[in-house]
Amino acid sequence: QSALTQPASVSGSPGQSITISCTGTSSDVGGYNYVSWYQQHPGKAPKLMIYEVSNRPSGVSNRFSGSKSGNTASLTISGLQAEDEADYYCSSYTSSSAVVFGGGTKLTVL
Amino acid sequence: QVQLQESGPGLVKPSQTLSLTCTVSGGSISSGDYYWSWIRQPPGKGLEWIGYIYYSGSTYYNPSLKSRVTISVDTSKNQFSLKLSSVTAADTAVYYCARAMIAINLFDYWGQGTLVTVSS
Repeated sequence: QSALTQPASVSGSPGQSITISCTGTSSDVGGYNYVSWYQQHPGKAPKLMIYEVSNRPSGVSNRFSGSKSGNTASLTISGLQAEDEADYYCSSYTSSSAVVFGGGTKLTVL
Repeated sequence: QVQLQESGPGLVKPSQTLSLTCTVSGGSISSGDYYWSWIRQPPGKGLEWIGYIYYSGSTYYNPSLKSRVTISVDTSKNQFSLKLSSVTAADTAVYYCARAMIAINLFDYWGQGTLVTVSS
């Protein structure tokens, strides 16, 4: 299985909004509403931010939102804050009853 | 609060078998709602799903690793384990155990991760 495609890096200034894309195929992202997003700070374990495309776990800021169109899912962070600077990974269930991650996107808050 | 903790050797020689155990506390591994997972991350690189196991012993593996991976569960100890055979330097990574909610592909609790280096 091939990794989902994410941009290597994105950046934005405090208060702005950014969007990270995650492109797969009809066998993963496009075929199921089981896309999740994870935030990872250096040296830390990933943290679940979005599941089932657009649902936020309890405790995650409503500045984080998710969506999907066709084979591409997106994570949007609004009102950027310094603490949002981290790596972000998307993940999808696949038709092989497996899980695939994206290559990761480094978010820099300018 | 569910907690997961990885344990095992931090150094493995090439061609040998990597063995790690994940101990779950604050919840039962026999809960029918979850898979118990292994995920790894090579230094400076992205996450790679290795596989997961249900408490009954049913397993699902990453096709690219399937020939070398075995995940097992010990419900009496509330633990699950990973064995990866014939390791090479490419298997050097931080290995995480995590809890996965069945059917909706989310990993909600993670261990802190353990670095395993493959070197002679």
